[in-house]
Formats: sequence, C-alpha cells, structure tokens
Amino acid sequence: QSALTQPASVSGSPGQSITISCTGTSSDIGAYNYVSWFQQHPGKAPQLMIYDVSDRASGVSNRFSGSKSGNTASLTISGLQAEDEADYFCTSYTSSSTLYVFGTGTKVTVL
Amino acid sequence: EVQLVESGGGLVQPGGSLRLSCEGSGFTFNTYWMHWVRQVPGKGLMWVSRLNGDGSVTKYADSVKGRFTISSDNAKNTLYLQMNNLRAEDTAIYYCARGSIIAARPPGHWGQGTLVTVSS
Repeated sequence: QSALTQPASVSGSPGQSITISCTGTSSDIGAYNYVSWFQQHPGKAPQLMIYDVSDRASGVSNRFSGSKSGNTASLTISGLQAEDEADYFCTSYTSSSTLYVFGTGTKVTVL
Repeated sequence: EVQLVESGGGLVQPGGSLRLSCEGSGFTFNTYWMHWVRQVPGKGLMWVSRLNGDGSVTKYADSVKGRFTISSDNAKNTLYLQMNNLRAEDTAIYYCARGSIIAARPPGHWGQGTLVTVSS
C-alpha cells in the first residue's frame, strides 16, 4: 500500500491562507470519509486537527478546515500564524489489508 | 483529558524481543479501539496493529504479522505490544493511539511515543 501523496513543503506569510493536498486512490480517500489531519511539532506527539474529512477536533481553531474531492483531501489554514509552523500529515482508512494509510507529510513554514 | 504514556522502548539486538506498554487515562479504556503506529525518525508513518475494546479482535500489518502481538489489560488501562524476532527495519518511534468506537475511523489521540532501536 503506497503512502498518500502530500507536498513536501508549503509556506505563507502571516495572515495568508494555505492549502495542503493529500492525494490517494479510489481504495482509500476516494472510498471513505475517514480522513484525518494531524499537526506535529518537532519532538511532540501528533495532534488531531480534522477528522471525518471536515470535522474539527475539540479545541481546534476554526482557522483550520478540511475538504475532499474525489481521491484528494485538503487541509486549509486561514489567517496563518507563527504557531502554525509545524509538520502536517493526513491519514485515511483503506480497503487494503493495511487498514490505514498515511501521508508523506508537509512542512509548513510561516515566512 | 485523554492521555497516553508509552514505555518499554530501548536498544535490542536483531532477533530479540521487547514489550511496549501504554497506560491510558481520561477515558473508558474498554470502549475504544486502540492502535500502535510507528514512525521511522524523519520519515513516514506506518500503522502496526489494532485491538478492539474488549480485546477480542486484533489486526496486524503484514510486515509484523506473526512476530508482534497486541493485547490489553483493561483493569490497568494498559495496552501492550509484544515484539518478537525484531529486525533492523523495525527501528522506529512507536506510538500508542486511541481510536474511536467506529472501527474504521483512524486513531485520533496519540501518546508521545517510545523509541525502539534494533541494532547489533
């Protein structure tokens, strides 16, 4: 089972909006609405941001939003802030024996 | 607040064994699916195994099937991963993660992880 494809890096200035894509297949993202997004700061545990494609986890700012179209899910961060600088990864349930597949990860830099 | 604390990682020789533990708090342990996920430092994540709330249903990634065993002690709110016949490619940070009552939903709450290094 191949990993979900994410851009290696995305950057933006404070206040701007950025979007991170997560491309899978018709066996994972395209087939199920079980896509989650995580934020991970260096040396820290991943923090759930979005689950079930577009539902925000408890306590997560409404600047974070998720969506899906076909085999591609997206995470949008609006009003970019310095504390948003981190690694982000997606994950999806899959019909393969792997059960869950993860994205390659995206480093977000706030310029 | 959901908290998960892993322990048991360390350096082990190829072919050796290690048992990881994960103590959970802030939730009813036997209600949720529980998972182990691993991450090679600086690289990608791989789902390893999952266990249902009452411990009766397990699933493993093909690469660890027959070598790893997931289990739990609900009285102690603790999840385990027994790892046997370890290989160099098992070297990774191992995260314990709480899933949902919905089996298909990916695990949402993760611990800090414990590092397993397989090397001679």
